[in-house]
Amino acid sequence: KNEVEQSPQNLTAQEGEFITINCSYSVGISALHWLQQHPGGGIVSLFMLSSGKKKHGRLIATINIQEKHSSLHITASHPRDSAVYICAVDMDNTDKLIFGTGTRLQVFP
Amino acid sequence: EAGVTQFPSHSVIEKGQTVTLRCDPISGHDNLYWYRRVMGKEIKFLLHFVKESKQDESGMPNNRFLAERTGGTYSTLKVQPAELEDSGVYFCASSRLATLTDTQYFGPGTRLTVL
Repeated sequence: KNEVEQSPQNLTAQEGEFITINCSYSVGISALHWLQQHPGGGIVSLFMLSSGKKKHGRLIATINIQEKHSSLHITASHPRDSAVYICAVDMDNTDKLIFGTGTRLQVFP
Repeated sequence: EAGVTQFPSHSVIEKGQTVTLRCDPISGHDNLYWYRRVMGKEIKFLLHFVKESKQDESGMPNNRFLAERTGGTYSTLKVQPAELEDSGVYFCASSRLATLTDTQYFGPGTRLTVL
């Protein structure tokens, strides 16, 4: 079992839909990252959070430390949101970063 | 199938010295990426190779950083001369195809400490 699990692995949506991507982890962490990868491109950091909730534009990330779970929400989705979204966690007391396998999102017009 | 490997796992050098980091991608993966994570901060993209060509090097911080991928297999990232702010963990990732469905596989990282 991977230490960081994402669901779903693949997701398709119609433009305008509300999207949720989930990340669960099994290790103690100091922070969690949500990353976005566009086709063929490098990864861009969306959020880094260690508690609560963060919002940036149409993106919202939440984390529940007790439940070891985080969600990334996209409101009013748009085709340009199509990308791979990756969850990564900073392990406690180390600088080790563990990456999830990603969620592939396609938003159709 | 072997994963992405990086060498060394740790490097401690003095300011002004040179360090070379190496990344061996998964065999057959044309795409290779370098990222940097400064302690407590977000992950930053450095550059992207497609085979031996630099597809995107917009994230390289300055001309003290030089990345190469001769022959399109392993890649090196040289920092010369190193500065204190270069300390961090350098990650490498590789993927097979430059499409929406490709997955980037990450290496374990090289922790660089510049004193």
